[in-house]
Amino acid sequence: DQQVKQNSPSLSVQEGRISILNCDYTNSMFDYFLWYKKYPAEGPTFLISISSIKDKNEDGRFTVFLNKSAKHLSLHIVPSQPGDSAVYFCAASSSGGSNYKLTFGKGTLLTVNP
Amino acid sequence: GAVVSQHPSRVICKSGTSVKIECRSLDFQATTMFWYRQFPKQSLMLMATSNEGSKATYEQGVEKDKFLINHASLTLSTLTVTSAHPEDSSFYICSAGLGEDQPQHFGDGTRLSIL
Repeated sequence: DQQVKQNSPSLSVQEGRISILNCDYTNSMFDYFLWYKKYPAEGPTFLISISSIKDKNEDGRFTVFLNKSAKHLSLHIVPSQPGDSAVYFCAASSSGGSNYKLTFGKGTLLTVNP
Repeated sequence: GAVVSQHPSRVICKSGTSVKIECRSLDFQATTMFWYRQFPKQSLMLMATSNEGSKATYEQGVEKDKFLINHASLTLSTLTVTSAHPEDSSFYICSAGLGEDQPQHFGDGTRLSIL
């Protein structure tokens, strides 16, 4: 039973445009959410996180939106750059901080075309 | 920033061999580290939580006698795949974190191939 779902296995976007990656979760105990970026043969790199007490967090070109009632979050990348091409994983935890286990989605492969 | 180092990056060995993977936090102390496994085109699946100075906590379905975890210091956790078989071939990744309100940071993973 997938508690964190990324229903789009891939997304293709033109350089300069907005990339929107979506994530849904089913476990209402989740209250901390993260996005990681992963290149082949490397470990995931942390991008941005959001606590359930917020509905938006922004860091440069990256913004994460959280809709608790819909159990949905999304990552917006504006403007998209070719170097953003990678697999993006959504992850969730039932507690904030790094000492609690993460549940991951299957990832979305983002391709940004020049 | 925080760095997690994982070694080796790739292992190819014969069936029946035991393989040890190391995970080190390079510039911080980690009381808790995590071991994940990833199959192709799948999500990262948590195998176990490694606690410094105590026994690891294994997720349901993970054989603790098969995947031995030792967290001997605040900067090192090891995962030993004992008597590895082809079905153990996978990508193994460790992570560690700085604590409350901080994200986990991941190593670069170990590609294990059992022939």
